[in-house]
Amino acid sequence: GNSVTQMEGPVTLSEEAFLTINCTYTATGYPSLFWYVQYPGEGLQLLLKATKADDKGSNKGFEATYRKETTSFHLEKGSVQVSDSAVYFCALSSLNTGTASKLTFGTGTRLQVTL
Amino acid sequence: ETGVTQSPTHLIKTRGQQVTLRCSSQSGHNTVSWYQQALGQGPQFIFQYYREEENGRGNFPPRFSGLQFPNYSSELNVNALELDDSALYLCASSEGVGGEKLFFGSGTQLSVL
Repeated sequence: GNSVTQMEGPVTLSEEAFLTINCTYTATGYPSLFWYVQYPGEGLQLLLKATKADDKGSNKGFEATYRKETTSFHLEKGSVQVSDSAVYFCALSSLNTGTASKLTFGTGTRLQVTL
Repeated sequence: ETGVTQSPTHLIKTRGQQVTLRCSSQSGHNTVSWYQQALGQGPQFIFQYYREEENGRGNFPPRFSGLQFPNYSSELNVNALELDDSALYLCASSEGVGGEKLFFGSGTQLSVL
């Protein structure tokens, strides 16, 4: 079955540091890949996505590249801000004929950015 | 454009009871999915509703059931509550079955004692 593995947190960084959160996946077929972010007390929000190999998703300074050869979708940001403190979830979606598309999530990585 | 709203925000029940959680989808969205997020875990897919019919189900027992109404709002019902049902329950809406951009509500925190 489908699965997503993320690096364990928490990740603690100083403001303006470089961020990498690792994500690898196992899936049949050709999944779409996503990063969602969950701020305290809020629901999940889509951060970025990529639908095929070598696609790069980007948003708000974050980016991730769909690497089929390494089954990875690592999240990166060049310079984090305190406001980026949140829990980040890697996820995949595999649409099968006759069944619903659904997201398989990783366990989440908490990011804490300090001044 | 209104977002996804869920009610109640918090709920405490005892083992064996039944619970109903509610979700109003984002305007224009006809598909609702429900997820269970245990503490420290990622959300797990429960089921999806499209045009008032269940359209896909995750690995959850039949005591988890749902409804979707003509206005596309939805309910999640859980019978015979168990301690392990304690979790954050998230509702997400999307445009159509194949819609991969989900809009999530803030969730209902259920505690089973």
